[in-house]
Amino acid sequence: DGGITQSPKYLFRKEGQNVTLSCEQNLNHDAMYWYRQDPGQGLRLIYYSQIVNDFQKGDIAEGYSVSREKKESFPLTVTSAQKNPTAFYLCASSMDRGSQPQHFGDGTRLSIL
Amino acid sequence: AQKITQTQPGMFVQEKEAVTLDCTYDTSDQSYGLFWYKQPSSGEMIFLIYQGSYDEQNATEGRYSLNFQKARKSANLVISASQLGDSAMYFCAMRELTLGTASKLTFGTGTRLQVTL
Repeated sequence: DGGITQSPKYLFRKEGQNVTLSCEQNLNHDAMYWYRQDPGQGLRLIYYSQIVNDFQKGDIAEGYSVSREKKESFPLTVTSAQKNPTAFYLCASSMDRGSQPQHFGDGTRLSIL
Repeated sequence: AQKITQTQPGMFVQEKEAVTLDCTYDTSDQSYGLFWYKQPSSGEMIFLIYQGSYDEQNATEGRYSLNFQKARKSANLVISASQLGDSAMYFCAMRELTLGTASKLTFGTGTRLQVTL
């Protein structure tokens, strides 16, 4: 079945540590996105990529980095510069046409040790 | 800048009844799309329904329908014949459809719906 796979489901970060969240899709979608969700809030866009080897900052990119070396993969690194990383992270992909919905993975819950 | 407002943090509805979840939006664009997503307690986001700004008819998908009032900038979700499995968070989202712009979604803060027996 086609879909989006995020791993791991739960992740713990120590102070000063970088961690990488994986996102893989087999939907042949051009565009991929990373969102952060805090309790009681909606999703906020961290980074997005419309094409391989290209990506743009979203609304809250500070303390995060991404790469898009393959169409299927869009990993997110939460760096030590992100002082409040505890949140639920969702990856999404879509055909890059406005009426097409974004399809989401099951999310990764990141906590600080 | 685009903005989505969902003013109902929580709603209760009795099983088999209909419920309306409110969504208002603000944009200066003429061409945009409105989406509703469901988020169960497990966390995944499930796409429910889409309405384009130029669509003349309200969108419908099974038990879901969108009450689109363009002049009032509202896009309320109506769920008919509520089921226990409808208990979840519901998010309204908007995207610009202007050619050449990035396909970013702007989300509201969500409404938690609880279906009771």
